[in-house]
Amino acid sequence: GEDVEQSLFLSVREGDSSVINCTYTDSSSTYLYWYKQEPGAGLQLLTYIFSNMDMKQDQRLTVLLNKKDKHLSLRIADTQTGDSAIYFCAESRRYGGATNKLIFGTGTLLAVQP
Amino acid sequence: DAGVIQSPRHEVTEMGQEVTLRCKPISGHDYLFWYRQTMMRGLELLIYFNNNVPIDDSGMPEDRFSAKMPNASFSTLKIQPSEPRDSAVYFCASSLAPSLGDGTEAFFGQGTRLTVV
Repeated sequence: GEDVEQSLFLSVREGDSSVINCTYTDSSSTYLYWYKQEPGAGLQLLTYIFSNMDMKQDQRLTVLLNKKDKHLSLRIADTQTGDSAIYFCAESRRYGGATNKLIFGTGTLLAVQP
Repeated sequence: DAGVIQSPRHEVTEMGQEVTLRCKPISGHDYLFWYRQTMMRGLELLIYFNNNVPIDDSGMPEDRFSAKMPNASFSTLKIQPSEPRDSAVYFCASSLAPSLGDGTEAFFGQGTRLTVV
């Protein structure tokens, strides 16, 4: 993805918390997303956050947004082996009129060790 | 609805051959997107359609790539002639709204893994 950066790999033990980080570039992005890609499958929306929020919690998922630093993170509590996947952050970047493009990060491979 | 359906799931072809990838969006979704995923470049938006009309094709790598949407339930991405560097996973996605900037979810197909030898 162009200019949306993530670390490539994260390994955690089952039951621990996982934190996946992302930096983006467009300060005018209105929404930021986290998608999950399981092996051999397409991307599935996990959660999203509106840019005027600092935090959003959804069950085991917590999204933190630092707009000043253009930093987004996804915390997964009590990580399970089923959480093993590639996680993509994405920003919606306006490009003309009322239309936005989704720009994806490079993806972080989360490996959960039993 | 069965979700976004892509075919084939895997395609292996020889350099120089024509390749056609197919997509059936979710019924009622007005927007259809084609993405390419590679290790080097991640996920790239190639083109998207609104009501069967191509809106932005600035991500299409070159003239060898073309996409069509003859009706609301079918789209194709064609590569002619194909080259080894086209090897990637190609995803189709559809959504109700264009902007994806309002929390609207884009639903992805399972992808077509293309290998050009």
